[in-house]
Amino acid sequence: DAGVIQSPRHEVTEMGQEVTLRCKPISGHDYLFWYRQTMMRGLELLIYFNNNVPIDDSGMPEDRFSAKMPNASFSTLKIQPSEPRDSAVYFCASSPFFAGTGELFFGEGSRLTVL
Amino acid sequence: AQRVTQPEKLLSVFKGAPVELKCNYSYSGSPELFWYVQYSRQRLQLLLRHISRESIKGFTADLNKGETSFHLKKPFAQEEDSAMYYCALLSGSEKLVFGKGTKLTVNP
Repeated sequence: DAGVIQSPRHEVTEMGQEVTLRCKPISGHDYLFWYRQTMMRGLELLIYFNNNVPIDDSGMPEDRFSAKMPNASFSTLKIQPSEPRDSAVYFCASSPFFAGTGELFFGEGSRLTVL
Repeated sequence: AQRVTQPEKLLSVFKGAPVELKCNYSYSGSPELFWYVQYSRQRLQLLLRHISRESIKGFTADLNKGETSFHLKKPFAQEEDSAMYYCALLSGSEKLVFGKGTKLTVNP
């Protein structure tokens, strides 16, 4: 298994543009998480899904951010319109049975730069 | 509210020296705590969990409920231990809250 796959690995865009980040979780994993990593705030949980259903999106910074999981093998995180303060590394992680184990399997991250 | 604090952003030690990465938490329930590690050019991965009481790569961590701490320790640091270390708290059984991380550098 190639693990959690994220794309693109790097994205440079201009303020105001739409950004879509993609994630393919490990097959059979029921949980999918989106995290954002910055120097100032560390790793922040944005949203997570269980069996494709969003469970907690309280970490989504504002309405410009949205996430979907149309099926068990694909999720997107969209930012529209993007702003320079959105520049960060965005991680996707999945887990087969998260509750009680605490083990997440992370992707390599998508580094976003908004100019 | 749940919170994880790692007071040191950077920690530098010499090879063979003991190392301790500090982690304090704030949580009203019964905590489950973890250490994750990210080596250079590798993915973030689980290092150890307190409930397992295990030693991984020579690292151990003891949960101290009185001091609300979960410090990561290794008696003799190796150069390959250089990495970013994150302490994490499992909140409400489905939410993993991370500290801001500590970058450990082990010098030769």
